[in-house]
Amino acid sequence: SQQGEEDPQALSIQEGENATMNCSYKTSINNLQWYRQNSGRGLVHLILIRSNEREKHSGRLRVTLDTSKKSSSLLITASRAADTASYFCATQLTGANSKLTFGKGITLSVRP
Amino acid sequence: EPEVTQTPSHQVTQMGQEVILRCVPISNHLYFYWYRQILGQKVEFLVSFYNNEISEKSEIFDDQFSVERPDGSNFTLKIRSTKLEDSAMYFCASSGSWTSGYLGETQYFGPGTRLLVL
Repeated sequence: SQQGEEDPQALSIQEGENATMNCSYKTSINNLQWYRQNSGRGLVHLILIRSNEREKHSGRLRVTLDTSKKSSSLLITASRAADTASYFCATQLTGANSKLTFGKGITLSVRP
Repeated sequence: EPEVTQTPSHQVTQMGQEVILRCVPISNHLYFYWYRQILGQKVEFLVSFYNNEISEKSEIFDDQFSVERPDGSNFTLKIRSTKLEDSAMYFCASSGSWTSGYLGETQYFGPGTRLLVL
């Protein structure tokens, strides 16, 4: 079974629209993190939400966490062409020094 | 802003050869990691390292793999005898300092080394 699974697998939207990406996981977690990866490049940390938090904001990003449903969503508001990338959720079962378990990722295309 | 760096950016090697991938983590971080991503697949954990020893390793991290922190700044991943299936992007990450809250769960990733085994 997969610890982190995102949906949809691919999302194509028009610039200015909002993009919503979902992630589900299987086990109890300490925190969930979202990362962005531009094609062939490194992983950029976007936002972290802890298991005792329900919602966090960072700029145009809003992440929610529902531990009862073991799911999270990432909302990017007012999308830009530069937001085109792959987005991954990653769960951490315990605190610092524990591994991240990544989902397969969502490919977001923002059309200008 | 401090960042994780990795060298080389690309490495091509023959099957059976040894490779060493190098990383310079963020200077005050305490925890270090290697992950890999086979083309088109998800990022997979290999190993975590703290206080000069391995904290956790995955099933992928077999006897062909080793990690070392030879000095105060570098963190290396060695693959002793490369196989075709070792071809992947390898990411180094670091996290956690004494001054970061919760000892810093956020992991900061380097740009990766793309390894191609022929």
